[in-house]
Amino acid sequence: NAGVTQTPKFQVLKTGQSMTLQCAQDMNHNSMYWYRQDPGMGLRLIYYSASEGTTDKGEVPNGYNVSRLNKREFSLRLESAAPSQTSVYFCASSIAGAEKLFFGSGTQLSVL
Amino acid sequence: GENVEQHPSTLSVQEGDSAVIKCTYSDSASNYFPWYKQELGKRPQLIIDIRSNVGEKKDQRIAVTLNKTAKHFSLHITETQPEDSAVYFCAATAPGASYGKLTFGQGTILTVHP
Repeated sequence: NAGVTQTPKFQVLKTGQSMTLQCAQDMNHNSMYWYRQDPGMGLRLIYYSASEGTTDKGEVPNGYNVSRLNKREFSLRLESAAPSQTSVYFCASSIAGAEKLFFGSGTQLSVL
Repeated sequence: GENVEQHPSTLSVQEGDSAVIKCTYSDSASNYFPWYKQELGKRPQLIIDIRSNVGEKKDQRIAVTLNKTAKHFSLHITETQPEDSAVYFCAATAPGASYGKLTFGQGTILTVHP
């Protein structure tokens, strides 16, 4: 039982490049989330998927897109990376909304 | 939307002392309030949570209290130990279209000195 698995762990991009962060959970959870963590700003929700087939914007969705590929997988795409997107990205899942979140190990992304 | 303010941003205590972190929220409809602990370089992990139908909840050395009237909730850690050193985040969510979308506070860096 691996829990929530994120890839890659580290990534360096140049401004304008695109990339996809992958996330998978093996706990049969319905809800999945993408957060970004910046110093002094806590964890801010980028996108949220309450269940397979649904996605919804969070607090800071601009510059990102998501895909809930199936119940297990929820990917985050940066179409044209900007330096302001330099951050640590966490994927998380929960049985349902307003329940315990299980976080992945995070992706450290730097955009130069 | 919901706004969560967390204080203090840093807290330094001696081993054995108590530590208290306070959060205020803006949406009076919020009904779920978790606390997460994040050790350096690690992922956040839930340590305790409370729902709006309960005023206090305890789990060994940690407790959370909720004051719905004042819209604030607090984390209390007693008999602190060096391994309690970490960043602590509070969060809140409200029923309705935003249910499940947790809004986090800015975090408190707790340092416990041996």
